[in-house]
Amino acid sequence: GPKVLQIPSHQIIDMGQMVTLNCDPVSNHLYFYWYKQILGQQMEFLVNFYNGKVMEKSKLFKDQFSVERPDGSYFTLKIQPTALEDSAVYFCASSLGGGQNTLYFGAGTRLSVL
Amino acid sequence: GDSVTQTEGQVALSEEDFLTIHCNYSASGYPALFWYVQYPGEGPQFLFRASRDKEKGSSRGFEATYDKGTTSFHLRKASVQESDSAVYYCALGERGPGYQNFYFGKGTSLTVIP
Repeated sequence: GPKVLQIPSHQIIDMGQMVTLNCDPVSNHLYFYWYKQILGQQMEFLVNFYNGKVMEKSKLFKDQFSVERPDGSYFTLKIQPTALEDSAVYFCASSLGGGQNTLYFGAGTRLSVL
Repeated sequence: GDSVTQTEGQVALSEEDFLTIHCNYSASGYPALFWYVQYPGEGPQFLFRASRDKEKGSSRGFEATYDKGTTSFHLRKASVQESDSAVYYCALGERGPGYQNFYFGKGTSLTVIP
């Protein structure tokens, strides 16, 4: 099926530093999403993004979080500054839109904040 | 708001047992319904979807029927295998003018004992 690529697969960072998680969504997709999953827990919605704007965000999407997709390149999630509780696996997903389309996920980036 | 409820948090079965994972949804509109499967260390994978009442979705021996009357989309498989051990997520997808979002249940962890 369609592939969403996430880079890197694992990121280790010191608390307080900035981190950027990169996502290469399916090429013709228009809607982009980030989800957060703490080890052993359910997956939780963070944010969705369309036409250059955040459309909806959850309570988990703190002020320290931001997303962008400059000029059709990577869809990024930036956390600045990071906190210990940001340690989790972050999944990027994308969908085509224009109907009740399917969401496709990447393999995730495991973020470890020390 | 829209939501998805999966009754079972964990299910343990023996090989060749019959599987049912219950999924009920709440939505204001007429959503699409999905099942995803997540294996350890991977992102959720699309299993199948259904978009209208009484439609059956199926893949890899799994199936579910969209039931608007009972607001359900229960996952079933006649004979599970050890390789089916994974976490299963029920989800609904809704769209409106300029937005599209997906809502996931908490997931059901299936363990199949050989």
